[in-house]
Amino acid sequence: TQLLEQSPQFLSIQEGENLTVYCNSSSVFSSLQWYRQEPGEGPVLLVTVVTGGEVKKLKRLTFQFGDARKDSSLHITAAQTGDTGLYLCAGKDSGGGADGLTFGKGTHLIIQP
Amino acid sequence: GAVVSQHPSWVICKSGTSVKIECRSLDFQATTMFWYRQFPKQSLMLMATSNEGSKATYEQGVEKDKFLINHASLTLSTLTVTSAHPEDSSFYICSARDPRQNTGELFFGEGSRLTVL
Repeated sequence: TQLLEQSPQFLSIQEGENLTVYCNSSSVFSSLQWYRQEPGEGPVLLVTVVTGGEVKKLKRLTFQFGDARKDSSLHITAAQTGDTGLYLCAGKDSGGGADGLTFGKGTHLIIQP
Repeated sequence: GAVVSQHPSWVICKSGTSVKIECRSLDFQATTMFWYRQFPKQSLMLMATSNEGSKATYEQGVEKDKFLINHASLTLSTLTVTSAHPEDSSFYICSARDPRQNTGELFFGEGSRLTVL
């Protein structure tokens, strides 16, 4: 069974601060997705990283895939209240669930004004 | 990105009644769709895989007679919660994979909030 450890589980910071969310595993993934879910809505795909060492930027969000494709990070610069939500990482590999993915437990992020 | 839509977004029903939730892929065909349940402050829990033209595959511990899944067309899967009870109250989400993309991304519906009184 593959595991994807996501940390921190909960994070509450002030607007304007920076933060990093981590997803770590002992397993290798062929790709890794990051999703954001707002209360009462379904998860929305933010980014997919495929290549080891890959870095992708989405405005103030920077995503990195580890060189060995076992871990990933999401860094948010100058957080805004609109960044509040549940962030989920999901790794794709044959060892995942029937949906082909192994989900992290999520990071609940609250950005306070 | 691909679009998956769910309906209804929220429903309230009396205990003992059945509720149907629809999941549609709007701009692509999906031979497979996935149904999840999500409890407050928790991640997604995969319930079952909906297969077009054949029986759904249920995850361990999920009652197939309680959660009926039908995938009658390449763009529609339905989840029926039968004889609903308050403990079935939850947020139900579906997803599908766009066959035009090969990176394994799942596209999720908006979710359906079920409250059983």
